[in-house]
Amino acid sequence: NAGVMQNPRHLVRRRGQEARLRCSPMKGHSHVYWYRQLPEEGLKFMVYLQKENIIDESGMPKERFSAEFPKEGPSILRIQQVVRGDSAAYFCASSLDLSPSSSGELFFGEGSRLTVL
Amino acid sequence: KQEVTQIPAALSVPEGENLVLNCSFTDSAIYNLQWFRQDPGKGLTSLLLIQSSQREQTSGRLNASLDKSSGRSTLYIAASQPGDSATYLCAVEDSNYQLIWGAGTKLIIKP
Repeated sequence: NAGVMQNPRHLVRRRGQEARLRCSPMKGHSHVYWYRQLPEEGLKFMVYLQKENIIDESGMPKERFSAEFPKEGPSILRIQQVVRGDSAAYFCASSLDLSPSSSGELFFGEGSRLTVL
Repeated sequence: KQEVTQIPAALSVPEGENLVLNCSFTDSAIYNLQWFRQDPGKGLTSLLLIQSSQREQTSGRLNASLDKSSGRSTLYIAASQPGDSATYLCAVEDSNYQLIWGAGTKLIIKP
């Protein structure tokens, strides 16, 4: 009974490289959310996706960041040309219904920690 | 714009004490409020969810209350244990179905 699976757990990149973070939602969940947590700060919403659709990307930086959730396979958060300020923990969550309030609960992965040197 | 604040930012208490963590929000138009726990280097665990029509929820030694009119929620932990040491986050789901997060309270329970 696997929960939300994120990989890699830790990723180190040099400035200018690309980072790809993967998230497999819980079985049966078709809604995925990505959050970023900077050190000593709260979680910040980035993007909400359903299968093959981006529903809300209001929290995504306009440049260098993209997300997808294909019909098959995990959701991918992609950061191009990383900079030191991208160093953070990136959390993925999944839910069963359209709104977290409908399902009553978000299920979170353990996060992917990106360090940019 | 909804803002969520958690006070205190950090708290250290001896084992066995009862304690209260606070969460305040600026806009009372919310669908629900959730409390989460985050252990170092780990993901988040949902503790309690309070729908906007509810006043409180209980799970074991945890009790969360919600007062929408004053924009406040409290998480009460009874008979604290060292295993309760973690960062506790509250989040409100606003009218756009987005979760707005507080920065968390780092709790240390001393044996």
